[in-house]
Amino acid sequence: NAGVTQTPKFQVLKTGQSMTLQCAQDMNHEYMSWYRQDPGMGLRLIHYSVGAGITDQGEVPNGYNVSRSTTEDFPLRLLSAAPSQTSVYFCASRPAAGGPYEQFFGPGTRLTVL
Amino acid sequence: KNQVEQSPQSLIILEGKNCTLQCNYTVSPFSNLRWYKQDTGRGPVSLTIMTFSENTKSNGRYTATLDADTKQSSLHITASQLSDSASYICVVSGRGGSQGNLIFGKGTKLSVKP
Repeated sequence: NAGVTQTPKFQVLKTGQSMTLQCAQDMNHEYMSWYRQDPGMGLRLIHYSVGAGITDQGEVPNGYNVSRSTTEDFPLRLLSAAPSQTSVYFCASRPAAGGPYEQFFGPGTRLTVL
Repeated sequence: KNQVEQSPQSLIILEGKNCTLQCNYTVSPFSNLRWYKQDTGRGPVSLTIMTFSENTKSNGRYTATLDADTKQSSLHITASQLSDSASYICVVSGRGGSQGNLIFGKGTKLSVKP
C-alpha cells in the first residue's frame, strides 16, 4: 500500500494563477480531507468528503474548490492564487468520519504564492 | 468554543532523559483524543488514539494518559532518542455531526540533544 500520496511536493505560483493539488489513497477510505498548516497555528480544515460525490466546507474554504468523483482521489483546486495561500497543504484519509479511526496523512505540498 | 491547548510550546532535553507533554481541551461532547508525531517536512503520523473509557495507552516508549473529567491528556516519552526530535500534536474529536472533524493543537516542538 502506498497510503496517501500527494503531488506536487513543491510549487511556486504567481498571484492570480490557478492550480490543482492532487491527492490519492489506496486504502478504500470513505473520509478524505484537506488541511493547511501555517507557522504558529494548528492544522486547519479546508474541505472534506465523506464519500464519492459528497464534499463540504471546513474551517477555511475560501479560495479553494474540491471534488470527489472516485473513492481514491480528492483534488484541491486553487482558483486564483493569493499570497495568503502560501502554506503547507496536507491531504488525509480515514475509514469513516466518526469514531476512533486512525487518520493517515500524505507527505504534504509546500506552496509559495508570489 | 472548542479548543485544544498544548504546553510547553517547545522543549529541549538531553538524549536518554524522559519528558512529558501536556494537552488541555474544551471540546464537548468528547469522542476521542489523538497524539501525532510530525517530523520536519513530513506529514503527521499517529502515535495513539484514546476514547472516553481509556486512561492510558502505550506505543513503545510513548505513553499517553487521558483524564476526561478534567479534560487533560499527557504524552510521556521514556529514554528519549535523537529521532524523537519532532513536533507532537494533540488532536481532539468531538462527538456528533456528520463530519467527525478533528480539532488540532498547535503542537509542542521537542528537540533531543546528544
